[in-house]
Amino acid sequence: AQTVTQSQPEMSVQEAETVTLSCTYDTSESDYYLFWYKQPPSRQMILVIRQEAYKQQNATENRFSVNFQKAAKSFSLKISDSQLGDAAMYFCAYLVSNFGNEKLTFGTGTRLTIIP
Amino acid sequence: NAGVMQNPRHLVRRRGQEARLRCSPMKGHSHVYWYRQLPEEGLKFMVYLQKENIIDESGMPKERFSAEFPKEGPSILRIQQVVRGDSAAYFCASSPSQGTYEQYFGPGTRLTVT
Repeated sequence: AQTVTQSQPEMSVQEAETVTLSCTYDTSESDYYLFWYKQPPSRQMILVIRQEAYKQQNATENRFSVNFQKAAKSFSLKISDSQLGDAAMYFCAYLVSNFGNEKLTFGTGTRLTIIP
Repeated sequence: NAGVMQNPRHLVRRRGQEARLRCSPMKGHSHVYWYRQLPEEGLKFMVYLQKENIIDESGMPKERFSAEFPKEGPSILRIQQVVRGDSAAYFCASSPSQGTYEQYFGPGTRLTVT
């Protein structure tokens, strides 16, 4: 069974600084997708960034980037120039790309606090 | 283009009652997923449906829980004879087709069982 582990229940960062959230996963598959979702106090799940396992290049979306280490099964999220609106729960998620099986497996989340 | 809609946003039921949660996917999306989030936990997959078909229900409890996605109308997650342990946030997500590997989430329904 696939598992996703987020070992940091809580993190905090000073506004405008950079923070990295950790995620590791366990899988025997070679083709899969990884995601970071943000859940602010409104509880809406917002897709932050996605990475295809077959791509060696790390995904970036504006201030958000990932460090994808396939051999180590590691998928960390870096947030640069942190803003107050970044405060939220962040969930790492995994999806294996077999047709007919597209469920997301989530980690337990990291609560990110931004210090003004 | 409206996002994924879920209603009600909050639902209170007494033990033994039935809960019906509705999900309208994004326009053009024919695939629906239901997830449950217990307090202070991540989301857990429950069921994956296409129009009139259940594709994967491996995360659904064997009893009291059922889901459908009819040809017309929203997807429904039904919980019969609710118990306190069913209290959670239930999220619906949709995608346009298999192979897109992106799911768009609704705002969730918070179910409280008293």
